[in-house]
Parts: sequence; C-alpha cells; structure tokens
Amino acid sequence: KQEVTQIPAALSVPEGENLVLNCSFTDSAIYNLQWFRQDPGKGLTSLLLIQSSQREQTSGRLNASLDKSSGRSTLYIAASQPGDSATYLCAPQDDYKLSFGAGTTVTVRA
Amino acid sequence: NAGVTQTPKFQVLKTGQSMTLQCAQDMNHEYMSWYRQDPGMGLRLIHYSVGAGITDQGEVPNGYNVSRSTTEDFPLRLLSAAPSQTSVYFCASMTRDRNYEQYFGPGTRLTVT
Repeated sequence: KQEVTQIPAALSVPEGENLVLNCSFTDSAIYNLQWFRQDPGKGLTSLLLIQSSQREQTSGRLNASLDKSSGRSTLYIAASQPGDSATYLCAPQDDYKLSFGAGTTVTVRA
Repeated sequence: NAGVTQTPKFQVLKTGQSMTLQCAQDMNHEYMSWYRQDPGMGLRLIHYSVGAGITDQGEVPNGYNVSRSTTEDFPLRLLSAAPSQTSVYFCASMTRDRNYEQYFGPGTRLTVT
C-alpha cells in the first residue's frame, strides 16, 4: 500500500519568499505524480503532472521535481503571493489510482 | 466543456437512509473514480471504473456501491448511511490521451446524523 508523507504540515511565510514543499512516498513503482491545490471548502485543482520518466516539470512560478528511485518529489513556488495561500497535495499514481498525503497548508502573509 | 460535475453540493442524511451521489463528465474520459476526504487525512479511493460496465473496489469500498452504464456517468450509492460516512466526496476522471492526469469535481459534502 502506497504511503505518502508531506512535510511540513503547515507553513507560513511573508510575501515574496520562495516556498519548498516536500513529498515522500514508499512505493517507487508509480506511473506519474500530480501536485494539486485545494482552497478551503473547494475541490482539487491540478497544478503539475510529472510522468515517471521525467525529472521535473515547470509551469509559471511552479516547478516540481521527481526522484522516483528515492520516492521523493518537491514543489517549488517562486516569489510567493497571498493568493498562493491554500493546501497543496501530492499524489503519486499507480494502477489508475492516486494515493494522497494529508497535504501542506500554506499561508502567505501580505 | 463543463468538466466533472457533481450533485448535490450538500446533503444531510439520517442514519439508515440511502442516497445516490451523482457524477458526470463530458470529456469522454475512460476512467472515473470516487474518493472521500476526511479531516487530517488524505483522500482515499472508494471505487473506480476503467470503462463502461467495468468497476472495481478501492481502499474503502464498504457501504458503497457503484455502476457505470455510460462513459459519462458514475453514480455512487450509499446503501444504509452511517455517521462514519460523514465526509466530503470527490469524483474524478482521466484519460490515457492526457497521460492519466486526473480532473476532480467540486465535491459533495455529506453529513449523516
């Protein structure tokens, strides 16, 4: 059974600081890994998808890396803004199923 | 495209009642899934489907039934609601053509009293 851990559980930073969110997973036999954003009381918005053959993926201020062999992924958010405040979820996928960590809740202070 | 839609948004049930949570997608995705999200825990897979007529159990299937008669729809049935089923339920879909990137619906918040 895939176990996913996200560290830290919560993070509070001043606006403009770079964010580093860590994710580790126990089974490296994954097909891909997705990072999601969830705002309070809302659904999940896909941020980035990294295929197992890729090392990283970038979209705007977001960059995600994947080290499949060691079971780690990191999400970097550059120059954080108050609008980045949300919970970020990491989800490796195998056999058509996503496994989720509890997430990292980010607060960006203006 | 509307993407993945779910109804209702909110629902309150009494213990023992049954109900169906609706999920539909208009992207012609082969795969659909149901997850539940509880406070302090990650989302957990309830049931999933790899195509019309094909369903399988996920991590927490007890107390739930599914069927997939069309590509578009994947309803989740609660047979006899229990307080332990109080949760937020999310439906998701994906396709091989987009590298199995999963798209989620807005969720249904269910309370069982």
